[in-house]
Amino acid sequence: QKEVEQNSGPLSVPEGAIASLNCTYSDRVSQSFFWYRQYSGKSPELIMSIYSNGDKEDGRFTAQLNKASQYVSLLIRDSQPSDSATYLCAVKETGANNLFFGTGTRLTVIP
Amino acid sequence: GAVVSQHPSWVICKSGTSVKIECRSLDFQATTMFWYRQFPKQSLMLMATSNEGSKATYEQGVEKDKFLINHASLTLSTLTVTSAHPEDSSFYICSARIAGADTQYFGPGTRLTVL
Repeated sequence: QKEVEQNSGPLSVPEGAIASLNCTYSDRVSQSFFWYRQYSGKSPELIMSIYSNGDKEDGRFTAQLNKASQYVSLLIRDSQPSDSATYLCAVKETGANNLFFGTGTRLTVIP
Repeated sequence: GAVVSQHPSWVICKSGTSVKIECRSLDFQATTMFWYRQFPKQSLMLMATSNEGSKATYEQGVEKDKFLINHASLTLSTLTVTSAHPEDSSFYICSARIAGADTQYFGPGTRLTVL
């Protein structure tokens, strides 16, 4: 049974702080990892993908992957109220067709 | 790039009627499209995987005769909810994947309300 686990939150951070979102996965052959953001009532939108161990930065977002620990995280620097949303972690196993999604972490950035 | 559209964005129908939802990849060819359902305050639930030119693969517990999926071209997949009932009211979201890539791009979703 493939599992992707996230803390459901809510996670509250003050504006300007760093928000840290974490995700663990159970399948060791997972190869591709994604972070999506979903605003209330909207569909998910892709923030970042990461495939190799280490950090990947894109603007205020940094994804971190540690395959040995089966752990992927997303850091949001200088958090803004507009970052308030549910963040979904998704994992894809090599050769599989679909993504496995976590249940999401709800982030609230307090002005 | 990688834009996915859905139509309609919302629909209200009477119980017992059928509703068709379209999912289009606007600027890329999608050999595989996915259909999800999301109830309020719950996580995404994969319903089926749709491959162009072949039968869809349904997840366990999803009735293939109730949720008809057609993927007739590389840019269009349709989901038809047949004989809809109030319990089918939900947010239906499609996603599409570029051939050879892993990333899924989501459509804006269709909110279905069955009276």
